Amino acid sequence: SAVISQKPSRDICQRGTSLTIQCQVDSQVTMMFWYRQQPGQSLTLIATANQGSEATYESGFVIDKFPISRPNLTFSTLTVSNMSPEDSSIYLCSADFGTNEKLFFGSGTQLSVL
Amino acid sequence: KQEVTQIPAALSVPEGENLVLNCSFTDSAIYNLQWFRQDPGKGLTSLLLIQSSQREQTSGRLNASLDKSSGRSTLYIAASQPGDSATYLCAVRGYGQNFVFGPGTRLSVLP
Repeated sequence: SAVISQKPSRDICQRGTSLTIQCQVDSQVTMMFWYRQQPGQSLTLIATANQGSEATYESGFVIDKFPISRPNLTFSTLTVSNMSPEDSSIYLCSADFGTNEKLFFGSGTQLSVL
Repeated sequence: KQEVTQIPAALSVPEGENLVLNCSFTDSAIYNLQWFRQDPGKGLTSLLLIQSSQREQTSGRLNASLDKSSGRSTLYIAASQPGDSATYLCAVRGYGQNFVFGPGTRLSVLP
């Protein structure tokens, strides 16, 4: 199996500020994925990040609000910009591995915006 | 558009019981299906992955089955333990598509 390290594990932020979440994978992967899980809800895909190209965002998510970097095949960051209380969620990074493309997740970042 | 549902939404059982969690999906043209476990406030742990050509997968006390034609998967947990208490999510991937997640089943196993 794969190991995905994500940090911070949790943060409490003020309205209007930004937070950058880091995700490190222990092997090279082509695509990394960022998800949001709002309280009591299931996972919603924010964007897919390929190394060396712009991230592909899902409907309802925009680059200005959730800029993503993917500088190499083992690392990615997601920034939550100009935060409001509605951004309070768990943010999860993931990647798929192997020929059967099994999906693995980091431990998540629990974000609270005051 | 693929939609995934899970029944029941919540389940509480005494320790030692065998139980079944259900996952349904609307589009049977899937590439694979994966079951996950999530502890409160944490990330997801992969349990089992079933390819579209497979009927079931087993890992320890867990068995997942797949019936593409009826759009269903079940996760069977044998001899449940309090440590099995968590939310269980299924996710379905179509060809060239990203995973679509169900809402999850919240399981409590009482000692």
